[in-house]
Amino acid sequence: KNEVEQSPQNLTAQEGEFITINCSYSVGISALHWLQQHPGGGIVSLFMLSSGKKKHGRLIATINIQEKHSSLHITASHPRDSAVYICAVKKWRGATNKLIFGTGTLLAVQP
Amino acid sequence: DADVTQTPRNRITKTGKRIMLECSQTKGHDRMYWYRQDPGLGLQLIYYSFDVKDINKGEISDGYSVSRQAQAKFSLSLESAIPNQTALYFCATSDSRIPGHQETQYFGPGTRLLVL
Repeated sequence: KNEVEQSPQNLTAQEGEFITINCSYSVGISALHWLQQHPGGGIVSLFMLSSGKKKHGRLIATINIQEKHSSLHITASHPRDSAVYICAVKKWRGATNKLIFGTGTLLAVQP
Repeated sequence: DADVTQTPRNRITKTGKRIMLECSQTKGHDRMYWYRQDPGLGLQLIYYSFDVKDINKGEISDGYSVSRQAQAKFSLSLESAIPNQTALYFCATSDSRIPGHQETQYFGPGTRLLVL
């Protein structure tokens, strides 16, 4: 079983919809990252969380450390949000800064 | 200008050939990483380097080698390429010296490699 699981694997939404992508992990962590991979392949870091909630524009990321779960929300979705969203965690023990990645959620927002 | 660059962006090679993928960064970061991405799988760490003199194997280092020629440059070599090394390869950097920022990794644009 993967240490980081994302759901759904694929998501299609209509423009304007509120979107939620989920990430569950099975290890103790010191931080969780949400990344966005554009259709051309480039990867951009969206958020790094160790507790609570962060917001940037229409994107909101939350984490519940006790439940080992994080969500990424997109409000008022737009076709330009179409991308693969990747969750990654850094294990609590170890100073190596190695990340464990989920397999990603492919989001398609239709106009 | 991009802070993390990779060359080439695309490469087709034949089984048995030696190839090198290059990564350069202008961010001044001390840590650099090489990952590969395969369809349906998460990014997997090949090698990482915390300093010019510090090289470490990742999860899937077999068949690969690296060289950290300078703080800004980290090269990945496939000594004898094989078809199952066909993948998308990413370089990334991070800075261990800024509290709170050390865990953010910054990715290059990726190199698509096809081994025939």
